[in-house]
Amino acid sequence: QKEVEQNSGPLSVPEGAIASLNCTYSDRGSQSFFWYRQYSGKSPELIMSIYSNGDKEDGRFTAQLNKASQYVSLLIRDSQPSDSATYLCAVVGSNYQLIWGAGTKLIIKP
Amino acid sequence: GAVVSQHPSRVICKSGTSVKIECRSLDFQATTMFWYRQFPKQSLMLMATSNEGSKATYEQGVEKDKFLINHASLTLSTLTVTSAHPEDSSFYICSARDVSGGFYEQYFGPGTRLTVT
Repeated sequence: QKEVEQNSGPLSVPEGAIASLNCTYSDRGSQSFFWYRQYSGKSPELIMSIYSNGDKEDGRFTAQLNKASQYVSLLIRDSQPSDSATYLCAVVGSNYQLIWGAGTKLIIKP
Repeated sequence: GAVVSQHPSRVICKSGTSVKIECRSLDFQATTMFWYRQFPKQSLMLMATSNEGSKATYEQGVEKDKFLINHASLTLSTLTVTSAHPEDSSFYICSARDVSGGFYEQYFGPGTRLTVT
């Protein structure tokens, strides 16, 4: 059974600090990884995709991938209260379906 | 780019009636769309994978005769909840896969909140 694991949180971070979200996956053959943000009562929104080892930066967001350790993370710099949401890690599995982590609830405290 | 719409956003229906939900990819062609259901404070649950021009693939435990999926074009998939009951009340979300860049990003519609009375 292919799995994606995340700490469910909540993760509480002061405003302006760096929020670090982590995800591990079980299928060593996985090639495509995504981070989605989901606000309460809303649908998920794709915020980062990463396919190669290393870092990928987009504005305040940085995704990090380490395939040897089967580990993907998301850093949010200068955290804002509007970043408070559940962050979902997803990995492409067979049939191009996404295998989802349970999500980490992030709370940014003003 | 990569916008997915869903209609309706909210629907209330009586027990025993059927409800159709539309999912459209507005600026890309989607050979594959996915239908999810999410109950309050729970994770997304994949219901089925919809492929243009062929039958949908349903996840284990999802009744294909109750949740009818049609993917008649590269931009439209529909989910019909037949003979709806209160336990079908949930947040239904579709996503579409954009492969134009050679990758596998999935973009989500805004969701449809179904309430069965």
